[in-house]
Amino acid sequence: DTAVSQTPKYLVTQMGNDKSIKCEQNLGHDTMYWYKQDSKKFLKIMFSYNNKELIINETVPNRFSPKSPDKAHLNLHINSLELGDSAVYFCASSQDYEEKLFFGSGTQLSVL
Amino acid sequence: QQQVKQSPQSLIVQKGGISIINCAYENTAFDYFPWYQQFPGKGPALLIAIRPDVSEKKEGRFTISFNKSAKQFSLHIMDSQPGDSATYFCAASRGGGADGLTFGKGTHLIIQP
Repeated sequence: DTAVSQTPKYLVTQMGNDKSIKCEQNLGHDTMYWYKQDSKKFLKIMFSYNNKELIINETVPNRFSPKSPDKAHLNLHINSLELGDSAVYFCASSQDYEEKLFFGSGTQLSVL
Repeated sequence: QQQVKQSPQSLIVQKGGISIINCAYENTAFDYFPWYQQFPGKGPALLIAIRPDVSEKKEGRFTISFNKSAKQFSLHIMDSQPGDSATYFCAASRGGGADGLTFGKGTHLIIQP
């Protein structure tokens, strides 16, 4: 069983569209994250959720919104996609903050 | 402001050699320092981690050396193998902090057979 799974793995879309990436973890963790990895492989945290409450909101555009229906899921909604949004987005989870993060395999988003 | 600086950006080592990757941090509030390994098409995976109360931690062929006064830590891979070829990220976080991990920019390691 995959510990942290995200779908889709690849997402190709046009500028201006709205898209969502889904993430589920079956580890029973309390905290989930979204990280963005740019073309130079730099990883930067975007959001984290702890017990369904948004704890971190880095300086990301408000076109990005995390949605957590329950503590096993943290979806990422992106409105009005821009060329600069092209990147690999990783979902991750951990038991409380820090400690070991478990990452999904990533969603490669390409905005044309 | 880059809070965790990692070097080198890329590294080529012969099979059986020692691979060394260095990181330096700025925020003295950091107290957890993990290293993550990432293979192409996969998410990062925790390799080894250290806290500042010890100066060295070893797990198999992987060792972290930590210098609190210099605010530096490094990863040593002994007897490097072609299967170690990957991108390595150092990271840091505050204990119990909600800020998540701050990553270095990564080192692309190639082990030549």
